[in-house]
Amino acid sequence: SQKIEQNSEALNIQEGKTATLTCNYTNYSPAYLQWYRQDPGRGPVFLLLIRENEKEKRKERLKVTFDTTLKQSLFHITASQPADSATYLCALAAGLGAGNMLTFGGGTRLMVKP
Amino acid sequence: DTEVTQTPKHLVMGMTNKKSLKCEQHMGHRAMYWYKQKAKKPPELMFVYSYEKLSINESVPSRFSPECPNSSLLNLHLHALQPEDSALYLCASSQLRTGTFEQYFGPGTRLTVT
Repeated sequence: SQKIEQNSEALNIQEGKTATLTCNYTNYSPAYLQWYRQDPGRGPVFLLLIRENEKEKRKERLKVTFDTTLKQSLFHITASQPADSATYLCALAAGLGAGNMLTFGGGTRLMVKP
Repeated sequence: DTEVTQTPKHLVMGMTNKKSLKCEQHMGHRAMYWYKQKAKKPPELMFVYSYEKLSINESVPSRFSPECPNSSLLNLHLHALQPEDSALYLCASSQLRTGTFEQYFGPGTRLTVT
């Protein structure tokens, strides 16, 4: 069966350090992978999308990598700040035909301590 | 305007009540979605509308009835719900033509079934 796993339910780091979150998947051949941020009681907010033919994508302090051989994406936040504390979700869609059908990983709760 | 709005923010209903959740977007998106999210779990897809037509129903019980009156509005009609249906209900929208399919979420309706 298809699975998307984010290997840490919670991650605590010190302000200024780099946070690295992992998303692993099985039995998918995704055309792209997305990362979202969710704050308590609010809807997810889209952060980054990376396509299967892209190795790395950056946006300000965020970096995402995508390894279709390892079936893994890594999400990095450099120079982390307490305001980065939130739950981060990875999401997959199988392909253009199912492009509007996302399945989310379980999420990682990131806590950045001052 | 990149906002998806949802009303009401909170809803408490008895098991015999009939109520509706509303969602609106003015981004010209032609795909709209309903998700259900339980505490500390990721959003789970319920329904997808593409060009105002129901394209995906993820085996949702008939006590949930979606409706898409036009390209900007999405409703979720609720009837004879169970206490286990208490959750955060999220609406989202996305483009269908760009091939990227990132989804824009509303703030959600917190539903409590008593």
